[in-house]
Amino acid sequence: QKEVEQNSGPLSVPEGAIASLNCTYSDRGSQSFFWYRQYSGKSPELIMSIYSNGDKEDGRFTAQLNKASQYVSLLIRDSQPSDSATYLCAVNIKLLTGGGNKLTFGTGTQLKVEL
Amino acid sequence: DTGVSQDPRHKITKRGQNVTFRCDPISEHNRLYWYRQTLGQGPEFLTYFQNEAQLEKSRLLSDRFSAERPKGSFSTLEIQRTEQGDSAMYLCASSPPWGSNTEAFFGQGTRLTVV
Repeated sequence: QKEVEQNSGPLSVPEGAIASLNCTYSDRGSQSFFWYRQYSGKSPELIMSIYSNGDKEDGRFTAQLNKASQYVSLLIRDSQPSDSATYLCAVNIKLLTGGGNKLTFGTGTQLKVEL
Repeated sequence: DTGVSQDPRHKITKRGQNVTFRCDPISEHNRLYWYRQTLGQGPEFLTYFQNEAQLEKSRLLSDRFSAERPKGSFSTLEIQRTEQGDSAMYLCASSPPWGSNTEAFFGQGTRLTVV
């Protein structure tokens, strides 16, 4: 089982619709979760972080976390063509030494917002 | 610009040559990470520094790879005797020293092509 799993897509939604992106993770001890947006040929850009069960809203983005189900999702309301990108789910996993953490990523979901 | 900076942005090298990449993290960040990303995959963890100490190395990091962070500020990643399979985007990220659920911010990446 992969540590972080995402549907690779592509997920196509019409402009103005809600895009729903999902992610599951295997490490029950994980405490923090992130969504990154990555445009083709560019580096990942952090768009949302979530640490507690429930919803967290930031503008058109809502992250949802359910630790019991080991499930994280990202909702994008009023989707725009500029939202077309790959969305990477990342889970913070404690490193074995030194007290640090590393991010483990899913393969990403490609989102296409169509006019 | 106070973000994570990587140099060079692109590198084309012949198989068998050595290459070195540089990363300058955000100034107050003491945690620094190197990742590698190939097409269609999420970033894969390579190594982690806390200040100048390299505290974790992935099994992905073969003996041909070495990373340093001599003064706890910038970091270098060297690949010796490059192979075509080393072609990838090499990403550096940094995060601050406070808290354990900290966000990591990526640089623009160095795209390596081995011919």
